[in-house]
Amino acid sequence: KNQVEQSPQSLIILEGKNCTLQCNYTVSPFSNLRWYKQDTGRGPVSLTIMTFSENTKSNGRYTATLDADTKQSSLHITASQLSDSASYICVVSQKGNYQLIWGAGTKLIIKP
Amino acid sequence: ETGVTQSPTHLIKTRGQQVTLRCSSQSGHNTVSWYQQALGQGPQFIFQYYREEENGRGNFPPRFSGLQFPNYSSELNVNALELDDSALYLCASSLVGLAVQETQYFGPGTRLLVL
Repeated sequence: KNQVEQSPQSLIILEGKNCTLQCNYTVSPFSNLRWYKQDTGRGPVSLTIMTFSENTKSNGRYTATLDADTKQSSLHITASQLSDSASYICVVSQKGNYQLIWGAGTKLIIKP
Repeated sequence: ETGVTQSPTHLIKTRGQQVTLRCSSQSGHNTVSWYQQALGQGPQFIFQYYREEENGRGNFPPRFSGLQFPNYSSELNVNALELDDSALYLCASSLVGLAVQETQYFGPGTRLLVL
């Protein structure tokens, strides 16, 4: 069964600190992996998209990594800010399929 | 802002009623996808429309139906509402279809509460 699992479920860190969110997937055949940021009550906003051949991609303070062999991805946030408080969702696209398979997300809270 | 708008922002209905949610896609986009997001969970794919035709469907019953209009705006209709239909409904627009590295742009969502 095609699944995307994220950890931790929730995370609280102090402003200025770094953190890393994890995503494991069993989707096959793999097309691409996306990380989205979703503020409470708002639609998701795309952070990064990576294909099979890409190991890392950055968007400002956000850096995503992909290991297609172990089917794992991570999202690293550097020097966190209060505005980083949101849910971060990992999404995997299956090759030849119109669907995106979504994880449940990691709820990140940044405290001052 | 993504340029994708949804209406209404909030809606309260009772069981058995019918509801229509609307979405205006970003200019130049010809594909619209609809998602249901329950509280604390990731979005679940309902269906996708490409150039006015359904282009794929998730695991939702037929009482969930949709339309896409010539201007690529879209509607989601839900008949015979059930309590479990309470959720945030998200619309996402994209260009051409779900190709590799194509980004979906999401609207702010419609929060539906079924009593």
